[in-house]
Amino acid sequence: GQNIDQPTEMTATEGAIVQINCTYQTSGFNGLFWYQQHAGEAPTFLSYNVLDGLEEKGRFSSFLSRSKGYSYLLLKELQMKDSASYLCAVSDSNYQLIWGAGTKLIIKP
Amino acid sequence: GAVVSQHPSRVICKSGTSVKIECRSLDFQATTMFWYRQFPKQSLMLMATSNEGSKATYEQGVEKDKFLINHASLTLSTLTVTSAHPEDSSFYICSARDRGFSYNEQFFGPGTRLTVL
Repeated sequence: GQNIDQPTEMTATEGAIVQINCTYQTSGFNGLFWYQQHAGEAPTFLSYNVLDGLEEKGRFSSFLSRSKGYSYLLLKELQMKDSASYLCAVSDSNYQLIWGAGTKLIIKP
Repeated sequence: GAVVSQHPSRVICKSGTSVKIECRSLDFQATTMFWYRQFPKQSLMLMATSNEGSKATYEQGVEKDKFLINHASLTLSTLTVTSAHPEDSSFYICSARDRGFSYNEQFFGPGTRLTVL
């Protein structure tokens, strides 16, 4: 079967760094996406990785290791507005997105 | 670019009525649109994939006669919840894939919150 695992909830302090991990087992791989979703809103695109390595985009970075079926999203200089759910999704062999359950990130002052 | 709109954003209806939700790609052509449902504190659940000009492909457990999907043009897909019941109350989100895009990113609409009384 296809499976995406990520922690249910994480807590971090404003100004700090947090790493959200995602492991996956899918039939085929055509890239991994990270989305941010605030409560009551639709997901917004954060990053896309299809090759191994680190992709940096401002305060957010995403890493991929295809051999390990592993990715992480790194958020630096945390701000209160970063409190949201972070969804990991893998595009499988049919280009369907397989979604993780999401990680709720709580930022404390 | 790559904007997807959804209408209505919020709807409240009586049990037994039908509700139509529209999903439009505003500045690109979407050969494929996806319909998701999300219950509180849960992740997105794909309901169906619709390709322009052909019948939608429904995920296991999703009733095709209850959730009617039409993708008549490259910019519009509609989801009709027929004979809605309180258990259909949920957040419905559409997304669209731009055939001209280099990778298979899905662009999401803002969602429609359906409440069935």
